[in-house]
Parts: sequence; C-alpha cells; structure tokens
Amino acid sequence: RKEVEQDPGPFNVPEGATVAFNCTYSNSASQSFFWYRQDCRKEPKLLMSVYSSGNEDGRFTAQLNRASQYISLLIRDSKLSDSATYLCVVSGGYQKVTFGIGTKLQVIP
Amino acid sequence: ETGVTQSPTHLIKTRGQQVTLRCSSQSGHNTVSWYQQALGQGPQFIFQYYREEENGRGNFPPRFSGLQFPNYSSELNVNALELDDSALYLCASSRRDDGNTIYFGEGSWLTVV
Repeated sequence: RKEVEQDPGPFNVPEGATVAFNCTYSNSASQSFFWYRQDCRKEPKLLMSVYSSGNEDGRFTAQLNRASQYISLLIRDSKLSDSATYLCVVSGGYQKVTFGIGTKLQVIP
Repeated sequence: ETGVTQSPTHLIKTRGQQVTLRCSSQSGHNTVSWYQQALGQGPQFIFQYYREEENGRGNFPPRFSGLQFPNYSSELNVNALELDDSALYLCASSRRDDGNTIYFGEGSWLTVV
C-alpha cells in the first residue's frame, strides 16, 4: 500500500461547480498535512495546511479525519484558473515528507 | 516567489555522465531537501541537509549525493546517469523549527539521452 494515495483523475468540471478531492495516508503517526498546487511544468506551491478542525481559505476548504486517515480538499465555485494538479502531502516530521501522485483538475468553460 | 533559486533550469546529459544541480535556499531557512519528480508522478524525497550534513535519505542509490554549504545553499550530484534519471529535480527549503512547511524552487529539468 502506498504511503499517500490519491486518485490521479483527471477531474473535468464546469466553471462554477464544486469539486472535492480525497487523499488517504497509511502512517497513523503522521503529524502534519498539506495541499500543494502544481501547474503544468512548474514547481509545487503550498495551497493550505490541513487541520483536524478544518480550515477554510476563500473558496477552498480542507479537512483532516485522523480516525479514517484521510484528508480532503473542497473547491467551491470552480474557476478556470483552478485547473492544476493538487498534491496531497503528509509529514511525519521534518525528515519525512511524502507526496501523493497528485489529482489533476481541469475546469471547463 | 519563494526565494528558493535553482540552477540550471534545463539541461541535457548523456547516459553515464555526471551532473551537479545547485540550490540557494530562502533567507532564514537552514534546511534543504531535494526531490525527484518524474513525469506524471508526485515528488519523491531524495535527501535532506541540515548543518552541512545529510539528515535523512529516501530510497535513492548512493550515486545520488549532495552537499550543503555554510550559507545553507546546496548541491545535488548524480553520477553515472541513467535514462530513468530524467525528471524535474526540486529543491525545497525550510526552517528547522518549522520543517513541515517547505518552499520549492522552480526546479531543474534534467533530460538524460
């Protein structure tokens, strides 16, 4: 089983739609969780951290479920500019940062 | 802009050659990590440097080696290049006391032919 698993997609959604991505992780001792965004042929950029209490940043909401070992990202009112690959990142400490394969999102006009 | 700079941005090497990639970390960041990202994959952890010493290593062979300098900049060296080494190589810097949040440079695209 992979340490961090994501559905690679692609998810093709119309503008204005709501889309959700999930990511599961295998190490119950994992400490920190993040979503990164990666545009085509660019470096990953931090989108948001993920907390058990859930956190929201504008149209983006992230949630962590430690009991089931998954994290989620919800994007509301999708924009064309949201088209990218979204990487789930799980950290067990400063030496152990593991990326998922990424979920590709394509927002269609 | 993350303040992490990498060079070169693109390079082509022949199988069997050696390559050195360079990274300057963000100001105030004392930890540098290197990642390999093959096409269609997520970044894979190669190793991390802190205080000029290797401080953790992923599942990569010894021909992948590195250095960190007193100013926290870093090099990744790959010997005996193989075709499968073709990838985007990402450098990420962080602060030791906040190592969970990492900031990437724009990467070095390596093609091995």
